[in-house]
Amino acid sequence: KAGVTQTPRYLIKTRGQQVTLSCSPISGHRSVSWYQQTPGQGLQFLFEYFSETQRNKGNFPGRFSGRQFSNSRSEMNVSTLELGDSALYLCASKVGGDGGQYFGPGTRLTVT
Amino acid sequence: AQKVTQAQTEISVVEKEDVTLDCVYETRDTTYYLFWYKQPPSGELVFLIRRNSFDEQNEISGRYSWNFQKSTSSFNFTITASQVVDSAVYFCALSERGTSYGKLTFGQGTILTVHP
Repeated sequence: KAGVTQTPRYLIKTRGQQVTLSCSPISGHRSVSWYQQTPGQGLQFLFEYFSETQRNKGNFPGRFSGRQFSNSRSEMNVSTLELGDSALYLCASKVGGDGGQYFGPGTRLTVT
Repeated sequence: AQKVTQAQTEISVVEKEDVTLDCVYETRDTTYYLFWYKQPPSGELVFLIRRNSFDEQNEISGRYSWNFQKSTSSFNFTITASQVVDSAVYFCALSERGTSYGKLTFGQGTILTVHP
């Protein structure tokens, strides 16, 4: 089975712009979670989608949003980018229930 | 609220030494899972082990073993006979039934360096 894929792998944006990141889960996995990793804050949970519905949400401002499609692929969007949004964004998928989460390679976003 | 603490920020060992990574957690949920993940320089988080809150049996898997003690809320991870390829950042994480296990709470990570 193919693993979790994320596109693009690297991205450079300017302050004030918006960005969309994509995540394709492992085949058969219905849950997709997103995490932000920075040197200062570590790994922080953004949100989780299950069957096209947001099931859990972390403590991030409304500029961070996401969605999930009927094929379980997910996108996250960050509007009005700030320098502090520079981070590695990781996506993880799981089958559902109490299955473990499997991570993609991440998208490294740099905001200048 | 849930919390995971990894007291060791960095550990440095010489190849073939055994190394134990400490993890302490806090949760109000009675049903939860604990995990260890490895993050090599490439950045991808690699799943290593998972344990549920009802199973305190400690196990060994190859060079990896773990010690889960609910009484002290600890979930420690040991690498036996460490190798240079074990050099990475290791994260302990917790997921709870209250979030349908969809949210992982991570510790701050322990940087492990194994010298040849």
